[in-house]
Amino acid sequence: GENVEQHPSTLSVQEGDSAVIKCTYSDSASNYFPWYKQELGKGPQLIIDIRSNVGEKKDQRIAVTLNKTAKHFSLHITETQPEDSAVYFCAASGGFQKLVFGTGTRLLVSP
Amino acid sequence: GAVVSQHPSRVICKSGTSVKIECRSLDFQATTMFWYRQFPKQSLMLMATSNEGSKATYEQGVEKDKFLINHASLTLSTLTVTSAHPEDSSFYICSARDGTGLGTDTQYFGPGTRLTVL
Repeated sequence: GENVEQHPSTLSVQEGDSAVIKCTYSDSASNYFPWYKQELGKGPQLIIDIRSNVGEKKDQRIAVTLNKTAKHFSLHITETQPEDSAVYFCAASGGFQKLVFGTGTRLLVSP
Repeated sequence: GAVVSQHPSRVICKSGTSVKIECRSLDFQATTMFWYRQFPKQSLMLMATSNEGSKATYEQGVEKDKFLINHASLTLSTLTVTSAHPEDSSFYICSARDGTGLGTDTQYFGPGTRLTVL
């Protein structure tokens, strides 16, 4: 089955810096890769997703890149703000299959 | 759009009692809902997949007789933790997938339910 690895487990940046979180997946049949942001005590919130027919997607300060050959995808957050502090999860799935989540990255943005 | 609600947000119960958690898709029809469990500082662990009108599919190691799932309509799924014990204390989160779009597989998550069993 699918296995998703996520790095780093924690990431500390200064406000205004960029943050990059990387994930690798094992199943070449996976074709859907969402990213979720989870704040303390809340459910995960979808922030961006990408499908295997595109290599990059951007939404304001957030972007995701996908390298199908290497089987890895990354989340890029530019101009980070303190409110970006949260735990970020990547996930992968094939078609209408279940999502397999990474282990999460705790992002801390210091003012 | 794509709002999923859960009720209750937190519940405290005595050991041996049963607890029901509701998951609702508020502005779309969810042919499939998922139930997850999350321990502190850990990732989400899928417990079961629930399809409207059919029996839920449980992940390996999840007791189907302990975690009863009912997906009675396109907007409501319930998880009942039967004979709860302290080790069942956890954060339970549901998600819903919009089944009416063209091939969409996006999952939207509820706010979670914190269960504490004394």
